[in-house]
Amino acid sequence: DAGVIQSPRHEVTEMGQEVTLRCKPISGHDYLFWYRQTMMRGLELLIYFNNNVPIDDSGMPEDRFSAKMPNASFSTLKIQPSEPRDSAVYFCASRSQGAHTEAFFGQGTRLTVV
Amino acid sequence: DQQVKQNSPSLSVQEGRISILNCDYTNSMFDYFLWYKKYPAEGPTFLISISSIKDKNEDGRFTVFLNKSAKHLSLHIVPSQPGDSAVYFCAATSRSGYALNFGKGTSLLVTP
Repeated sequence: DAGVIQSPRHEVTEMGQEVTLRCKPISGHDYLFWYRQTMMRGLELLIYFNNNVPIDDSGMPEDRFSAKMPNASFSTLKIQPSEPRDSAVYFCASRSQGAHTEAFFGQGTRLTVV
Repeated sequence: DQQVKQNSPSLSVQEGRISILNCDYTNSMFDYFLWYKKYPAEGPTFLISISSIKDKNEDGRFTVFLNKSAKHLSLHIVPSQPGDSAVYFCAATSRSGYALNFGKGTSLLVTP
C-alpha cells in the first residue's frame, strides 16, 4: 500500500477563499482522522470517522470547517471562508480496527492563507 | 485542555549519549501510549508504543518506560545518533476512544 495520501502538499490561498484538502486512507483501515499542527497547539485532533461516519467533531474550530467521508477511500476537509489564522499543516491519518493500534499519517498539507 | 503534555520543547544531546524525552498525561482512562517521530516536511511516523499493563517496552535503541502512578512516560534513545534529530510526539489513547491525543512535541537535536 502507498500509505495515506494527501493532496495538495502545499496550498496558498487568499483570505475568504474556499479551501479543500483531500485524503486517501490506507485500504482496509476503519478509522480516519484529521489533525492540525501549529506551533502553539501542537497536533490537535479536528475530527475523526469510523466506517465513513463522523464520530467526534468537537475539535473542529468553527463552522467554517467541515469534513466529509463519502466512501471508505476518500475524505475531504473544507474551510470556507478561509482566514489567515487557519494557516497550519493539516494531517490526515488512518488506523485499523482495534483499540491498540497505531495510526499512519500522510505527509500533510501546508496551508497558507494570505 | 491538553491531556498529554511534553514540557520540554527542545533537547540537545551529543552523539553516543542517552536522550531522554518526557511526557505526562492527565486522563487516567488512557491505557495505550505511543511515540511518534517527525522529520520536517513529513508526516509523523510511529516509533514505539506501550500498553498500560506493562512498565517497559524495548525496541533496539529505543525504550519506553511507563509510570502509571505518576502518569508519566519517557522515551530513552541509546546511543543517540545524528539521524535521530527530529520532533518527537507523545500520544495516548483509551479503549473507549479511538483517537490519539498528542502532546506538543519535543525537538531533539543530536550533535556529532
